[in-house]
Amino acid sequence: ETGVTQTPRHLVMGMTNKKSLKCEQHLGHNAMYWYKQSAKKPLELMFVYSLEERVENNSVPSRFSPECPNSSHLFLHLHTLQPEDSALYLCASSQDLGRALNRDTEAFFGQGTRLTVV
Amino acid sequence: LAKTTQPISMDSYEGQEVNITCSHNNIATNDYITWYQQFPSQGPRFIIQGYKTKVTNEVASLFIPADRKSSTLSLPRVSLSDTAVYYCLVAPSGSARQLTFGSGTQLTVLP
Repeated sequence: ETGVTQTPRHLVMGMTNKKSLKCEQHLGHNAMYWYKQSAKKPLELMFVYSLEERVENNSVPSRFSPECPNSSHLFLHLHTLQPEDSALYLCASSQDLGRALNRDTEAFFGQGTRLTVV
Repeated sequence: LAKTTQPISMDSYEGQEVNITCSHNNIATNDYITWYQQFPSQGPRFIIQGYKTKVTNEVASLFIPADRKSSTLSLPRVSLSDTAVYYCLVAPSGSARQLTFGSGTQLTVLP
């Protein structure tokens, strides 16, 4: 248990569906992240939020839409996805983006949502 | 962002010490070195972080030479449960890109 909870754990959706992934952290952290991990590929950083403000968006297609209503919750809204979007989607949080040489920069990851687009 | 190079895979036997080396030739003065561990279908887990010389915690040691162009993660007396992918990350503290992962090293511990 890392203090970061993702739901659902598994999701199968059609290409015309709209769904949302949810992430909740109980650690009092200020920064939250979405990652995508496809089979046999490195983790790809998708979005970064700090104090509920998006600070990074790594050229992610608009069919992925993040939302951070408060510092404890992060959503990833999905619509008209493609089969190649099937992957493990991981949420993470950290105290902040890190300002010192210590464990401020440690990120805590959720268990992920295994997404299959059919 | 400093590029990192790690071996793709390593095998070891239970009870042995494992050393995984990461090269980061263009590391910047304000960059830190961080290692994460990931089991299949789980999120990565922080192992250790350092800037120079040696850092040790209850899980591992991190050795960083004076030129900081490489680092070595040392896992003492590994067990089967240490089979995982190990990632080396290099980036400045305070940067959102500090958590950009490379390909990692698949460590397989054999009985």
